Amino acid sequence: DIQMTQSPSSLSASVGDRVTITCQASQDISNYLNWYQQKPRMAPKLLIYSASNLETGVPSRFSGSGSGTDFTFTISSLQPEDIATYYCQHFHNLPYTFGQGTKLEI
Amino acid sequence: EVQLVESGGGLVQPGGSLRLSCVASAFTFSSYWMHWVRQAPGKGLECVSRINGDGGSTTYADSVKGRFTISRDNAKNTLYLQMNSLRAEDTAVYYCVRGGLSGGWNGKAFDIWGQGTMVTVSS
Repeated sequence: DIQMTQSPSSLSASVGDRVTITCQASQDISNYLNWYQQKPRMAPKLLIYSASNLETGVPSRFSGSGSGTDFTFTISSLQPEDIATYYCQHFHNLPYTFGQGTKLEI
Repeated sequence: EVQLVESGGGLVQPGGSLRLSCVASAFTFSSYWMHWVRQAPGKGLECVSRINGDGGSTTYADSVKGRFTISRDNAKNTLYLQMNSLRAEDTAVYYCVRGGLSGGWNGKAFDIWGQGTMVTVSS
């Protein structure tokens, strides 16, 4: 199984900060990677698909990059409504696995 | 609005059974892979099972293989998960999720999630 190592596991930042989360795959997954935002008691929401594509309706302050084994998710200017847990997920081959999550706090 | 709505969760004793349903709306249901993803309380996300557009191809996580069965009724735009021999470790919120196009990769998967249904396995 491909392991997804996400870091950090938690992060405290201020409004307006640039925030970066990384995800490393245990083997090459090309660009088969999504990033999700999950707020308490809600379903995950797709933000970035195929590593770098912004989902329709998602603010442009969110972005993703990377290919192969190393990926980065960035919030260019943190807003109060961005407080959530963020997950990466690969879908290169079965089983599709998620990172352990990054809890973002202000 | 593209939407997935799950139902069927609840409290069940260890060894019991439960069937989850997920009704899809506002998209061509039969054209997509569909997935069940679960999240234990306070934990991360786990892909449980998936099924292709015509129901002819299914896969399961090792943790549920032989106990869970995924199926779909495209005439009713409905996805199912039959869960048998339930264990305490199956306690989780179960999400129905739209996958990629069944007939060919369109670059996007896991884009639509239902609100989830809670399954609690306890005596």
